[in-house]
Amino acid sequence: GAGVSQSPSNKVTEKGKDVELRCDPISGHTALYWYRQSLGQGLEFLIYFQGNSAPDKSGLPSDRFSAERTGGSVSTLTIQRTQQEDSAVYLCASSQGLYNSPLHFGNGTRLTVT
Amino acid sequence: AQKVTQAQTEISVVEKEDVTLDCVYETRDTTYYLFWYKQPPSGELVFLIRRNSFDEQNEISGRYSWNFQKSTSSFNFTITASQVVDSAVYFCALSEAISNTGKLIFGQGTTLQVKP
Repeated sequence: GAGVSQSPSNKVTEKGKDVELRCDPISGHTALYWYRQSLGQGLEFLIYFQGNSAPDKSGLPSDRFSAERTGGSVSTLTIQRTQQEDSAVYLCASSQGLYNSPLHFGNGTRLTVT
Repeated sequence: AQKVTQAQTEISVVEKEDVTLDCVYETRDTTYYLFWYKQPPSGELVFLIRRNSFDEQNEISGRYSWNFQKSTSSFNFTITASQVVDSAVYFCALSEAISNTGKLIFGQGTTLQVKP
């Protein structure tokens, strides 16, 4: 079946501009996660959605970052007034939402802020 | 606090050598899961294995094997007879039952290079 789909695969933007990254999870997966992977770094948790519950935003690095999940499916991660330190690969994952459920990752969006 | 440490940043081996990737974790939870993921050059993280905190049996899958030892809080990954296709970044991760979110805490990753 279809995996997690992310778009765009690459995004180059100028400092100060806003960007939107999209994630389409695996059908039927109730949980959706955003992670950030900076060059040479591990994966940093950003935000988590589970069904209709309030999202866990504890990993968002600043108030310039926000995310939505509409209809319990597609999610959009928005970064406002981008900074060069926002350059990274943004990975989306989905799962069945239990603590023992493997996360299934998309290919990520590589964001470059110039 | 929960934490996953992969002390080996990079490992380089020659094809057919065995290699072990180390993973040490910290958690206050008694119920948790440990995971290994592979990230090949293409970038997508691929799930390899899941192990729960109550099952310390070692697991073998083909050339891959995992050694889970609660006494040392370690979950090491061994590749036997390594191949060039094993070249990738490998991540160890922890999920705690107490959070019940499935949120993974990742280590920094180990880059494995297998040379022909």
